[in-house]
Order: sequence, then C-alpha cells, then structure tokens
Amino acid sequence: SQQGEEDPQALSIQEGENATMNCSYKTSINNLQWYRQNSGRGLVHLILIRSNEREKHSGRLRVTLDTSKKSSSLLITASRAADTASYFCATALVSSYKLIFGSGTRLLVRP
Amino acid sequence: DTGVSQNPRHKITKRGQNVTFRCDPISEHNRLYWYRQTLGQGPEFLTYFQNEAQLEKSRLLSDRFSAERPKGSFSTLEIQRTEQGDSAMYLCASSRTESNTEAFFGQGTRLTVV
Repeated sequence: SQQGEEDPQALSIQEGENATMNCSYKTSINNLQWYRQNSGRGLVHLILIRSNEREKHSGRLRVTLDTSKKSSSLLITASRAADTASYFCATALVSSYKLIFGSGTRLLVRP
Repeated sequence: DTGVSQNPRHKITKRGQNVTFRCDPISEHNRLYWYRQTLGQGPEFLTYFQNEAQLEKSRLLSDRFSAERPKGSFSTLEIQRTEQGDSAMYLCASSRTESNTEAFFGQGTRLTVV
C-alpha cells in the first residue's frame, strides 16, 4: 500500500499562479522527497527535506514538513507551462532505505 | 551521460513468455531499486539492493519475479510466465549509501503483455 497520499489528485492553474500540493504519510520517516514526472518519462528529484527540518527552498520551490501531523506541502511559485507534470512525494522510512511513493498530483499549467 | 540506464525502453511480449530487463545504475551508487508504475499511479516498490545483496523484496512481488545484481553493478529483473496484469512501466533507480540522499531514476522499461 502507498505510504503517502497527495492532495489534490489533479490541479489546473493559470501560468503565473502558485501551485500547492499536499502529502500525508503514516509512519516515521528519515526524510521526505518530492519528484516530478513528465508524461511517460522517468522521475526527476526536486527537493529533499529531512525529518528535523521544517521548511526548505530551492528556486521557485518551497517545501514544508510537519512531522507531528505527518504531512508535507510543496509550493511552486510563479508557475510556468513547463511545470505541467505529475508530482509525487516519497518518504524514506526510518526502518528501511526504500522510498515509498504517493499516488501523485497531476498539475496542469495553462498558458 | 552517467545517469541510470534501462534497457530495453519498450517490450511487447505474449502472455506466458519470460522477459528480462536490465538496469545500469550510476557507477558510484551502491543502492539500486526497482519499482513498477501503472497509469495514473505512483511508483510501487518492488525490491532493492545494497551492492549485490537483495535487502528487501515487496510482499506484492510474486514468485514469477526475480531480480539479481550479481557483481553489485548492473541489475536484471526477470518476469516469468508473463500475465496481462504485468503490463506496466518498470523503473530502476540508484542512490548512494548515505542516508538522506536522493534517488536517481532511469527512463523506465514499458512492458506490454498481449
């Protein structure tokens, strides 16, 4: 079963707007990672946040982590059409080195 | 390019046939992962290796699936007696041994069982 669940499942916004995606998970983690996948392609790592971190930035990306609520959010600011993709959160468990992925958020950025 | 390489990119096979996929990880990465992804879903963990040792295997993986990493470098994933339900994208990823490092994914092998 999936460890993480993303919300919303799909998101459609206008270019220039911000996009926020949320991820919830169930068990203790070492870190949480966000990946992007363009249609039919492999996954590209975006950002990693450790369990002792609360917020992290990378370019137009901002990630937050709330371990008490077992949740994370990914904010993409000033979105571009090229940001259109599926976004997945993945948790690295304390008990294992495997990454467990959620079901993803499909983002459409309209030009 | 020294990224993760997967071959073949596409495979069409008849039901009941065996198929084998290959993954070449980034050379200095000790960990190697296999995932399966179906349309509209996130990648589902299958198994992972640290060097040549297979450390974990998903309970969802039937006995028809086997993976090897004989010299701790490339890995193969074999599916015996394929079924239509095996149709999916098979993704390989590799990472360093240290904790809190990201995984690098290949482009995947898309399997279609007809």
